[in-house]
Amino acid sequence: SQKIEQNSEALNIQEGKTATLTCNYTNYSPAYLQWYRQDPGRGPVFLLLIRENEKEKRKERLKVTFDTTLKQSLFHITASQPADSATYLCALDMDTGRRALTFGSGTRLQVQP
Amino acid sequence: GAVVSQHPSWVICKSGTSVKIECRSLDFQATTMFWYRQFPKQSLMLMATSNEGSKATYEQGVEKDKFLINHASLTLSTLTVTSAHPEDSSFYICSARVSPDGYTFGSGTRLTVV
Repeated sequence: SQKIEQNSEALNIQEGKTATLTCNYTNYSPAYLQWYRQDPGRGPVFLLLIRENEKEKRKERLKVTFDTTLKQSLFHITASQPADSATYLCALDMDTGRRALTFGSGTRLQVQP
Repeated sequence: GAVVSQHPSWVICKSGTSVKIECRSLDFQATTMFWYRQFPKQSLMLMATSNEGSKATYEQGVEKDKFLINHASLTLSTLTVTSAHPEDSSFYICSARVSPDGYTFGSGTRLTVV
């Protein structure tokens, strides 16, 4: 079956360091992959999209890589700040015909001041 | 950008009653909307796909008679949890597809059934 896996354990880092989150998927070849931020009690907020023919995408302090051979995406936040503390979700359109996104379980990031 | 407004943000209801959650697209027309449910510390799970003017498509294991979805206009989709029970307590989130690869999400509704 198709699966999206993220490290379910919380990631704790010091302010100023780079946070790296991982998203692995199986049994599928997506045309693109998306990353979202979710704060407690709120809906997901779109951050970045990377397509299958792109290796890397950047937006301000965010960087996403996409390795279609490894079936993995890495999400980096450089110069992390306490305000970056949130849960980060990766999502794919698993081509189920419904055109809805399927989400990973998310990784909670805690940036310590 | 495209905004989806979801109301209420939280609701508490008694067991056996029904609760309606609204999701409105404010500055675009949403032909398709999606409804997700999220339990604590878990990911978003797709419940159903709502298409304007037609019946919703439910995911396996989601009771269509319990979770009534209406998408009567291009700007409004509603989810009604009928005869709610404590196990229905969850965080419900709507989403709309705004482009071939673009989605926007509501702010979510925390439902607590007591």
